[in-house]
Parts: sequence; structure tokens; C-alpha cells
Amino acid sequence: DAGITQSPRHKVTETGTPVTLRCHQTENHRYMYWYRQDPGHGLRLIHYSYGVKDTDKGEVSDGYSVSRSKTEDFLLTLESATSSQTSVYFCAISDFTFGGTYNEQFFGPGTRLTVL
Amino acid sequence: DQQVKQNSPSLSVQEGRISILNCDYTNSMFDYFLWYKKYPAEGPTFLISISSIKDKNEDGRFTVFLNKSAKHLSLHIVPSQPGDSAVYFCAASSGNTPLVFGKGTRLSVIA
Repeated sequence: DAGITQSPRHKVTETGTPVTLRCHQTENHRYMYWYRQDPGHGLRLIHYSYGVKDTDKGEVSDGYSVSRSKTEDFLLTLESATSSQTSVYFCAISDFTFGGTYNEQFFGPGTRLTVL
Repeated sequence: DQQVKQNSPSLSVQEGRISILNCDYTNSMFDYFLWYKKYPAEGPTFLISISSIKDKNEDGRFTVFLNKSAKHLSLHIVPSQPGDSAVYFCAASSGNTPLVFGKGTRLSVIA
């Protein structure tokens, strides 16, 4: 299994509070991603990173920010949590060979976040 | 608008029979397709993939078929086993862009 950990694994917080989720990898993969999984929506991309300090928005980025100061860590921050952000959050990593089509992503175990 | 669609939210199959999971896509630029399997309380795990230059890829009990003209792919599991019961996600990408996922199909294999 790819070395991906997420912390915390479970969190309950209140509306309006800031929350930071951490993803840590030991694979030295270049790309890191944050997804959320909700019933009826599948996996939706929030933000992703293609290198240290290089990030881009995904499909559902509103209300979220990210930072990547080291290859191994990718942080997802909810500046002011809302009940609509109650979800399961997955981090993923991948890497590419130059000119290749390799795009397999490995996922972490997930963080279940509840915003009351 | 959904670029990757899994129109069957659930599927039930008898143990030992074939399971066929379907996926349609709309973006003709997609050139790489993957299937992921997800058990409850775990992250998705990669199952099998196919490049757009192929129309079939096989790995043990799992085979993925790609029909580019119809923008359709399917995952065949033969024979189905109770341990295959999970949610299956279809995903697609174009070049180095992030994967786009379907909403998933819940497969139940009945013993």
C-alpha cells in the first residue's frame, strides 16, 4: 500500500470554526489531491497540488484553501466550517513519467468531518 | 454537467455469475480510464485501468472494455465473489489532468 496517512481520522466541530486536515505521504509523489465524498455525488475534487507551493482549484473549491510547503504534506483548511462541509475527505497522491499517460492515484484512509 | 456517468446506483449479482458495471463519458479528450473499488470506512483502491489506444485490458477476474465510438466502458467481474461487494467508481483523465470520477455503483454479490 502507498504510504499515505490522514489526520485526524474523525473530527466533530462547530459551524464557524476553522479546521485543518493533514495529508502526509512517504512516496515522494509529485501530485497530491483533496477530494470529498458525499452520497449521490461520488468523489469530487476540491484542490490539488502539482509541486511544492503549486496548487490549483478543483470542482468544489469554494470555502476551502490548501497549502503545500513540503513534498510530503498537503493541508486542507476550512476557514469557517459550515454544515454543508460535513463529509468524508480523501487525500490522494500520484506521479507521472515524462510523456507517459500514467495517472493512477493512491488514496488515503479518509477523514470523517462533522460540522454541527 | 457530469463528464463521467455511472447510471446504475446499485447492482445485485449471484455469487459465481458475471458482474457488469457500466460507465459513460462525454469528454472526447479523455485518454485514460480507471476503475476503483471502495469498501466502507476505507479509501478507494485502484482496480484496473485502460488506455484509449486499447479496447480491452484483463487482470485475473477483472476485465475492462473500452468503446471509444460510444464513449462507453464497462468492468466485467467473472466469477463474482462475496468479497467483491463494494462501491465501484469509474474515473477518467486527459493527459496529466486530475481524475474525474463517476458517482459510483454499489455492487452486492449474494452468496
